[in-house]
Amino acid sequence: GQSLEQPSEVTAVEGAIVQINCTYQTSGFYGLSWYQQHDGGAPTFLSYNALDGLEETGRFSSFLSRSDSYGYLLLQELQMKDSASYFCAVRANTPLVFGKGTRLSVIA
Amino acid sequence: ETGVTQTPRHLVMGMTNKKSLKCEQHLGHNAMYWYKQSAKKPLELMFVYSLEERVENNSVPSRFSPECPNSSHLFLHLHTLQPEDSALYLCASSQGGGVGTEAFFGQGTRLTVV
Repeated sequence: GQSLEQPSEVTAVEGAIVQINCTYQTSGFYGLSWYQQHDGGAPTFLSYNALDGLEETGRFSSFLSRSDSYGYLLLQELQMKDSASYFCAVRANTPLVFGKGTRLSVIA
Repeated sequence: ETGVTQTPRHLVMGMTNKKSLKCEQHLGHNAMYWYKQSAKKPLELMFVYSLEERVENNSVPSRFSPECPNSSHLFLHLHTLQPEDSALYLCASSQGGGVGTEAFFGQGTRLTVV
């Protein structure tokens, strides 16, 4: 089966940089996705990595190392609105399997 | 608005009731999913439909019964639920059941079983 591990909570200061890590165990790995979910809202897609390396989209970047079964989401120039839950998700031989999510709190 | 609409947004039902959750997508996707989100737990995949055929059923109790009449609509029929079934039920769609890289989620139905 599939399993993913990510920290349950992270707190960071406005304007800072924060990294949310995700390790996974799976078979038939295709790629790692990241989703953001604000309280009361739907998860929304942030990024997808199929190959090793860093993908940058504005203030957000996502990294993947297939050999280490590891990835991270990097958020720069943190803003208060970035306070949300962030989920990594593995696409393997099954539909998306999600981690438990990391609750990010951005403080002034 | 993500293009995936779920109704109702909130539902309170007794354990002997029968109700249905509805999901509609206007994105032209060919795969639709039901997920359950409980507090402190990961998103749990319940059912997957690809091209209107059920391709995944993750050992979900029979008191949950999905229906996919066409590629745009997905239902989750509920009957004789238990209090532990109280959760946020999320519908999602993607292009390609097994190869889609991006899933679009609805706002969810917050279900409370009393």
